[in-house]
Order: sequence, then structure tokens, then C-alpha cells
Amino acid sequence: GQQLNQSPQSMFIQEGEDVSMNCTSSSIFNTWLWYKQDPGEGPVLLIALYKAGELTSNGRLTAQFGITRKDSFLNISASIPSDVGIYFCAGRGATNKLIFGTGTLLAVQP
Amino acid sequence: DSGVTQTPKHLITATGQRVTLRCSPRSGDLSVYWYQQSLDQGLQFLIQYYNGEERAKGNILERFSAQQFPDLHSELNLSSLELGDSALYFCASSGGGGTEAFFGQGTRLTVV
Repeated sequence: GQQLNQSPQSMFIQEGEDVSMNCTSSSIFNTWLWYKQDPGEGPVLLIALYKAGELTSNGRLTAQFGITRKDSFLNISASIPSDVGIYFCAGRGATNKLIFGTGTLLAVQP
Repeated sequence: DSGVTQTPKHLITATGQRVTLRCSPRSGDLSVYWYQQSLDQGLQFLIQYYNGEERAKGNILERFSAQQFPDLHSELNLSSLELGDSALYFCASSGGGGTEAFFGQGTRLTVV
């Protein structure tokens, strides 16, 4: 099945550091979504982006819809231990189906 | 709590068997989506139902089928199970009108 390229694959950081991750696609998308998944849980929506160039924040999280409509970025500022988890991007294009990224595992050292 | 309920939480079964996974969407949501999450394939969209009708199909095998009932709950039927079907199966629901879907906690299926 199709997956979007997401990087980095994993990150091990110290509490208080900023984090950046991105997602790229070979297709153009109309929607970019960012989810977080904790162990044993389903993905939880963090941020939704619907317009090229859009920059949206949710607390310490900021995401951007790339101008080319083929990429998106997620930044987490001043990380805390509860930020630990797997972050997924997801894109939706003309087919209206969500395609998920490969995921970024984030570990935060207190 | 997303409001989407999936049962059972865990399921262990043998190859060749058939299982049914159940999903109750959030109150008022008409759309139900099924996803499969495995280590090698990641999160893959399987199928979507809207108000009882199939709306979109993804990478769903012919051995798998789903339906949405008049009370809007949905079931995913997996038959002739193979070892490779072991995965987390998620249900998500949305209200339509451009709202994004909320995911349930998933059913972990292990085929032995």
C-alpha cells in the first residue's frame, strides 16, 4: 500500500528541545493532517491544514502546508516527556482517501 | 476518549478462521472508516461507509468485507485468515461536512 515519506524515522531528544519533522509526497494533496499515536491507542488528530502555505498552531505544535502541496512540516517547541509517541502525517487528494506517512518515533529524555 | 468504540480489544485466532470486528461510531457520525496498521505496511485505508452505503474502497482484500448497519455501527469481517493478517485494525468515524475522523482504540488481531 501507498505511504508518504516521513522523516526522520526516529528522534531521541532532551526535554526542552525543539523538534522538526516533515512529510513528502509525489502527489498533490488538498489536505494535510498530523496525528499522534500513543502505545495501545488510536491516532489522535493534532493539526489539520487545508490550504497551501497555511501555518497553523496548536499549543506548542506548529504545522505548515507546503506551497507545492506535496509536503508538510510539524514543529514541536520546548518538548516535554508526554510528547513521546509516534507522529504521523496524512494527506488527502483528489481520491478523498487518507494516505498516511511512515511515522516518526519521538523519545524525550527528562 | 474519542467516542469511537471497538470490540474486541484483542483477538487471537488460527489460520483459516474467520473473525468479526465491531465498531460503534461517535454519536451522530454517519461515516465509518476501517484501517489496518502493520509494521511493514503502516496505516492503510481499507474501506469507508456512509450512512449504510459503501463510499470508498482502499487496499481491502477480497477475503475481507465490511458493512454498516441501520444503527450506524459497523463490522469488519476477515475470513480465511493468514499469518500476514496479524495487525491492528482501527475504526474511525466522522460526521461528514468536512470534519476529520476520530479513531477508536483498535483491535489487535493475532493469527497463529
